[in-house]
Amino acid sequence: QSALTQSPSASGSPGQSVTISCTGTSSDVGGYNYVSWYQQHPGKAPKLMIYEVSKRPSGVPDRFSGSKSGNTASLTVSGLQAEDEADYYCSSYAGSNNFVVFGGGTKLTVL
Amino acid sequence: QVQLVQSGAEVKKPGASVKVSCKASGYTFTSYYMHWVRQAPGQGLEWMGIINPTGGSTSYAQKFQGRVTMTRDTSTTTVYMELSSLRSEDTAVYYCARFWSGYFYDYWGQGTLVTVSS
Repeated sequence: QSALTQSPSASGSPGQSVTISCTGTSSDVGGYNYVSWYQQHPGKAPKLMIYEVSKRPSGVPDRFSGSKSGNTASLTVSGLQAEDEADYYCSSYAGSNNFVVFGGGTKLTVL
Repeated sequence: QVQLVQSGAEVKKPGASVKVSCKASGYTFTSYYMHWVRQAPGQGLEWMGIINPTGGSTSYAQKFQGRVTMTRDTSTTTVYMELSSLRSEDTAVYYCARFWSGYFYDYWGQGTLVTVSS
């Protein structure tokens, strides 16, 4: 069982927006602004999409955005495209003992 | 450009050990911590531990304490992850990932599949 809770699946049609949530506790998501999101296509390594809750690395489309409220972080993908179909994982700093925790992943399907 | 190149797939018997390497290039090796993360088939990501390439200090997830050892060789800019007393549940893809101070991973290795089977 993963430390952070994500819905197993999400879907949307091309052009639509979809939001994926990630729920933790005050010891991880709620306690630090160190939430990141990763996209993973089948057989590939994860790719950083969002860091420090809402920052986008260079090269990541601005269709991807992140936010946080309390113990829940969210990733929104706007203007869905076929290539956005992938697994998405959230991650958070969880203190000096656990260090990093991940969500169980959400499979995003573009209908 | 930054690259993390991992060693090839391994097949091991239960009870054996495996050592996976991750060669870093394209940046100053000692400037970034390295983490190891694994992913069992069809499952999510699991944090295993961290190594400071400068002094070699490590911190491991409690789940792997006593079974995992992370080391580095600064002369070859390579980090290693050794997992002992392997069991079938350790079958997974093992990734090394470069760690930023903002607590995220900006570069990942390509992954190494370790299969534990009798």
